[in-house]
Amino acid sequence: NAGVTQTPKFRVLKTGQSMTLLCAQDMNHEYMYWYRQDPGMGLRLIHYSVGEGTTAKGEVPDGYNVSRLKKQNFLLGLESAAPSQTSVYFCASSYEALGGTEAFFGQGTRLTVV
Amino acid sequence: AQSVAQPEDQVNVAEGNPLTVKCTYSVSGNPYLFWYVQYPNRGLQFLLKYITGDNLVKGSYGFEAEFNKSQTSFHLKKPSALVSDSALYFCAVRDIWGRDDKIIFGKGTRLHILP
Repeated sequence: NAGVTQTPKFRVLKTGQSMTLLCAQDMNHEYMYWYRQDPGMGLRLIHYSVGEGTTAKGEVPDGYNVSRLKKQNFLLGLESAAPSQTSVYFCASSYEALGGTEAFFGQGTRLTVV
Repeated sequence: AQSVAQPEDQVNVAEGNPLTVKCTYSVSGNPYLFWYVQYPNRGLQFLLKYITGDNLVKGSYGFEAEFNKSQTSFHLKKPSALVSDSALYFCAVRDIWGRDDKIIFGKGTRLHILP
């Protein structure tokens, strides 16, 4: 009964380093999303995917890349981390388009860029 | 573009009292509206949604929300607050633009239930 699992849960990066956040879901959902949460700003959509092999830009895509090579996995990459990318990152998945159904969220990844 | 506003950053309620967390929306067309809750160090959890039908929507953990078209509001309510209801609450609205179909979250309201 895992649902949506994010790894790692915490990470500290130096400016300019790269990393990949992994999101895995075991509910056979087509749609997957990456959000960032910052104090006073709610959740903002970074990138999303409507199915295996597809990706699309969200509200704040700059500085991030994503890949959906397998239906159950959605990877978020930071090629050259910047302090402005310090945030809590959440992955979510849904059976159909998020606007019509509920989303299931992972527990989050707290990323600090120094 | 569609949007939601949560006018209160924080709401304090005594345990056992009724609670209301406010949300107003701005949409073109019929709104699809959602409430999510975030407990400390956890991801968001779905509470309820309004798509069409009865203006009073019932959800998880005893919460309900009232859709009011004339006031463009979708306030979250509970008749009797519990300390365990203390959390961050997000209102959200469906945003469709071409083939994009996603939801836009409000900034969140922190609910404190005082023992």
